[in-house]
Amino acid sequence: QVQLVQSGAEVKKPGASVKISCKTSGFSFSAYAIHWVRQAPGQGLEWMGWINTGNGNTKYSQRFQDRVTFTRDASATTAYMELSGLRSDDTAVYFCAKDPHNNRPYYLDYWGQGTLVTVSS
Amino acid sequence: SYELTQPPSVSVSPGQTARITCSGDALPKQYGYWYQQKPGQAPILVMFKDKQRPSGIPERFSGSSSGTTVTLTISGVQAEDEADYFCQSVDISASSVLFGGGTKLTVL
Repeated sequence: QVQLVQSGAEVKKPGASVKISCKTSGFSFSAYAIHWVRQAPGQGLEWMGWINTGNGNTKYSQRFQDRVTFTRDASATTAYMELSGLRSDDTAVYFCAKDPHNNRPYYLDYWGQGTLVTVSS
Repeated sequence: SYELTQPPSVSVSPGQTARITCSGDALPKQYGYWYQQKPGQAPILVMFKDKQRPSGIPERFSGSSSGTTVTLTISGVQAEDEADYFCQSVDISASSVLFGGGTKLTVL
């Protein structure tokens, strides 16, 4: 069955970086895009961008363009999201999610369990 | 850029029908999708391509589309349907995903 398992909770200081992993199984990793979405406490879903897992091409939301990097390791069927220059308002649960396509964004058919990132001095 | 607008809350009694709307200029050109999220859990897909139900989603969930609005309908609402519901579409020119602000469904 399709599974996306994310790395554990992180506590970071302002200005630091965080890198979250999303280990996938149950599908052909390089055939489907991975999106990253975050949710601040009590707030809605905020799309951060996506990565074409076949060729590594990325598209970032303008809001995160200069601070976020998506990578993938096909041999490990794992996607990664790194966010730098952390601020207190980056405190949120970060989700990875699979798209049933790879060449353009469609929708998110399977989600990871989420990773809580807390930014605090 | 496009936006998707949802009502912040909808309340219904058990057994009644809940309708959650999502409006946006992107919707006549792109499909709408719906996610259910319960507290402390990841979202799950409950409707795709406006009106297609993923396997495992109860038949009481249905979707429709008209012009700039997509609607998620839950017939015979049950207590377990109480959750936040988010609509989603795509801005294809920007190769990006859009989410609505979410609707909290309360089962009275």
